[in-house]
Amino acid sequence: SQQGEEDPQALSIQEGENATMNCSYKTSINNLQWYRQNSGRGLVHLILIRSNEREKHSGRLRVTLDTSKKSSSLLITASRAADTASYFCATDGDSSYKLIFGSGTRLLVRP
Amino acid sequence: SQTIHQWPATLVQPVGSPLSLECTVEGTSNPNLYWYRQAAGRGLQLLFYSVGIGQISSEVPQNLSASRPQDRQFILSSKKLLLSDSGFYLCAWSVPLPGTGMNTEAFFGQGTRLTVV
Repeated sequence: SQQGEEDPQALSIQEGENATMNCSYKTSINNLQWYRQNSGRGLVHLILIRSNEREKHSGRLRVTLDTSKKSSSLLITASRAADTASYFCATDGDSSYKLIFGSGTRLLVRP
Repeated sequence: SQTIHQWPATLVQPVGSPLSLECTVEGTSNPNLYWYRQAAGRGLQLLFYSVGIGQISSEVPQNLSASRPQDRQFILSSKKLLLSDSGFYLCAWSVPLPGTGMNTEAFFGQGTRLTVV
């Protein structure tokens, strides 16, 4: 079963705008990760945030984590057409060894 | 450097035929290994994961099975494919943090697009 659910399912923005995607999960976690998938390809890891962290930055990416609400957000600033992809959150669910993905947000950045 | 090989890239198989998808990892030892399936436009469904040779955990009961005959080899199999087995299959690996068992980032293969006809 899905551990994380992303919101919105699809997002269309203009190049240069910021994109915010949200993820909610059900069980306690050790960490939460965000991945990107270009159409028909494998996933690429973007960022990992631990359960004791509240915010993390990597380049144009900013991730927040609220364990009390069991939610996370991914912000992509100054988006580019090349950011067009699907974005997934993933958690370890009820086992440290698992890696369970949400349903994803499809982001379209219009030039 | 670490790499992951997954093949074939595409596969068309008739209903009732067997399946064997192989995934191998290079450049790391004792990784956690994963098989996922992704339906078109959907998220990833965890099928199997393995924390060591011969250790397989199944997440979804179905007509698929997995095996890990060597440390860096993970095989997904079926004796008789169903139409519903069509999808995009992804293999991934990660190395847990020493002493904690917690997952770190996962690295994915390029996937196998399986069409059962």
